[in-house]
Amino acid sequence: AQSVTQPDIHITVSEGASLELRCNYSYGATPYLFWYVQSPGQGLQLLLKYFSGDTLVQGIKGFEAEFKRSQSSFNLRKPSVHWSDAAEYFCAVVSSNTGNQFYFGTGTSLTVIP
Amino acid sequence: NAGVTQTPKFRILKIGQSMTLQCTQDMNHNYMYWYRQDPGMGLKLIYYSVGAGITDKGEVPNGYNVSRSTTEDFPLRLELAAPSQTSVYFCASSLPRQAAFFGQGTRLTVV
Repeated sequence: AQSVTQPDIHITVSEGASLELRCNYSYGATPYLFWYVQSPGQGLQLLLKYFSGDTLVQGIKGFEAEFKRSQSSFNLRKPSVHWSDAAEYFCAVVSSNTGNQFYFGTGTSLTVIP
Repeated sequence: NAGVTQTPKFRILKIGQSMTLQCTQDMNHNYMYWYRQDPGMGLKLIYYSVGAGITDKGEVPNGYNVSRSTTEDFPLRLELAAPSQTSVYFCASSLPRQAAFFGQGTRLTVV
């Protein structure tokens, strides 16, 4: 069965520091992978997506993610975090053989300290 | 350019009451989804639909029902509200193997 693991429940970083949020997936075929961000009281906003091709994908707000098939990972990175990046981040994988269902990780909460 | 619209944004129900959470999208997406979000649990799929007239259960369907009479609308029905259904509900839509677009959510409290 498909699944997504985000091992870090909560991360705290200083403003200006680099960030890496981990995501591991379990999926038999070529996965379609996504990162979403959720600000308090809001819906989920797409940061970036990976379907195929270049394993390093660029997203909005200066985020990027790297797909590593050998490690079943799709980690999210940002070289310099801004206070406005404080939010909840979700990794997701799509299953194309079961009604295009999205499977989400449990999320990583990011706190940014000045 | 509305995207996915959910109503209401907030609702308080008494145990045993029923209600319908409305969801509509204007992007002509054939896939639509209902998720619930509980603290520390991520998003759990309740029901999904691959097109008008077709619905299927997700991971946590008990206590809920859906219908999909048009491409645009995908209402979620709670027949007998229970405290365990206190949650934030999100509707989403997508094209096949494309990113899902989410509504702003409905915060439901059952007392």
